[in-house]
Amino acid sequence: NAGVTQTPKFQVLKTGQSMTLQCAQDMNHNSMYWYRQDPGMGLRLIYYSASEGTTDKGEVPNGYNVSRLNKREFSLRLESAAPSQTSVYFCASSRDSLYEQYFGPGTRLTVT
Amino acid sequence: DAKTTQPTSMDCAEGRAANLPCNHSTISGNEYVYWYRQIHSQGPQYIIHGLKNNETNEMASLIITEDRKSSTLILPHATLRDTAVYYCIVLMNYGGSQGNLIFGKGTKLSVKP
Repeated sequence: NAGVTQTPKFQVLKTGQSMTLQCAQDMNHNSMYWYRQDPGMGLRLIYYSASEGTTDKGEVPNGYNVSRLNKREFSLRLESAAPSQTSVYFCASSRDSLYEQYFGPGTRLTVT
Repeated sequence: DAKTTQPTSMDCAEGRAANLPCNHSTISGNEYVYWYRQIHSQGPQYIIHGLKNNETNEMASLIITEDRKSSTLILPHATLRDTAVYYCIVLMNYGGSQGNLIFGKGTKLSVKP
């Protein structure tokens, strides 16, 4: 049981490049989430998917898009990376939106 | 969702109980108190949550005051591995709708030998 997995672990992009962060969970959870964490700060919600087939914006959605590919997978796409998107990105899942969330190990992204 | 206030940092001796306070004076009747922690550079880890009654699990105890305006997370026998940032979050659970975790800056707990 791997829990929540994220790929890649590290990534360096140049300004304007695009990339997709991948997240998968094997706990049969309905809800999935993407957060970002800037140095010295708490986590901020980017997007979430309460159930397969639905996605909604969180606190800081600008510059990102998401896809709930199936029940297991939830990807985050940066279409045109900017230095302000340098951050650590965490994916999480929960049985339902009312239950505790389980987090992946994070992706450390640097945009130069 | 109600806002929470936590001390910026705390120290605790190894083997002693760590008591982490949280104020949530604007909490409403259907909002739960959740605790997560984040060990350096890792993803946050769920610890415990509660509504009114005190709760205990294998990791910690949660004491909520009768007026629900504050709570305390208790780690009964802190170890060096409990050094982390602890987040107190108040979250509304309402059937069928999304309650979002809002992480503040938390309390940095340092467990010392």
